[in-house]
Amino acid sequence: DGGITQSPKYLFRKEGQNVTLSCEQNLNHDAMYWYRQDPGQGLRLIYYSQIVNDFQKGDIAEGYSVSREKKESFPLTVTSAQKNPTAFYLCASSIGPNSNQPQHFGDGTRLSIL
Amino acid sequence: SQQGEEDPQALSIQEGENATMNCSYKTSINNLQWYRQNSGRGLVHLILIRSNEREKHSGRLRVTLDTSKKSSSLLITASRAADTASYFCATVIIIQGAQKLVFGQGTRLTINP
Repeated sequence: DGGITQSPKYLFRKEGQNVTLSCEQNLNHDAMYWYRQDPGQGLRLIYYSQIVNDFQKGDIAEGYSVSREKKESFPLTVTSAQKNPTAFYLCASSIGPNSNQPQHFGDGTRLSIL
Repeated sequence: SQQGEEDPQALSIQEGENATMNCSYKTSINNLQWYRQNSGRGLVHLILIRSNEREKHSGRLRVTLDTSKKSSSLLITASRAADTASYFCATVIIIQGAQKLVFGQGTRLTINP
């Protein structure tokens, strides 16, 4: 079955620590996205990538970093510079960056502070 | 910044009734999409309506779009307990060749058996 796999499902971060969230897709999609969701809120865009080896900042990129070395993978690192990292993180992909096609979402990673 | 405003924030109805959720937005859009999110899960795409369309149907779902009022509505007919979830509208804009979704805060729908 094609889809998006996010891991881990739950993650705990100690103060001053960087953590990396994994996102893998086997849909052969070019575009991938990372969103942050706070309780009772909608999604806010952190970073997005239209093609391999290219990515752009979204609306709330400060304190986060990404890489796109492979088409299938778009990992997100939450750095120690992100002072309020507790949230639900969602990864998504779409066929192409400029298309009237929906985004497909993974099941998320819930990040908490120890 | 979040463009969409959804109304109501929460809706509780009896099974079998219809549920209507509304979404307003601020800027010109390429298309508008509705998504569903079960608690603790990712979003699932429901329906996409293009800016030149006024109404679209998919099973028990009906979406309307009024670009002059910058608003959209999602109607779920003959609701079922399994429809209990949060529903989000997302406006789609194209910036520098990239598709960007801007989400509203969502409507939390509860269907009472």
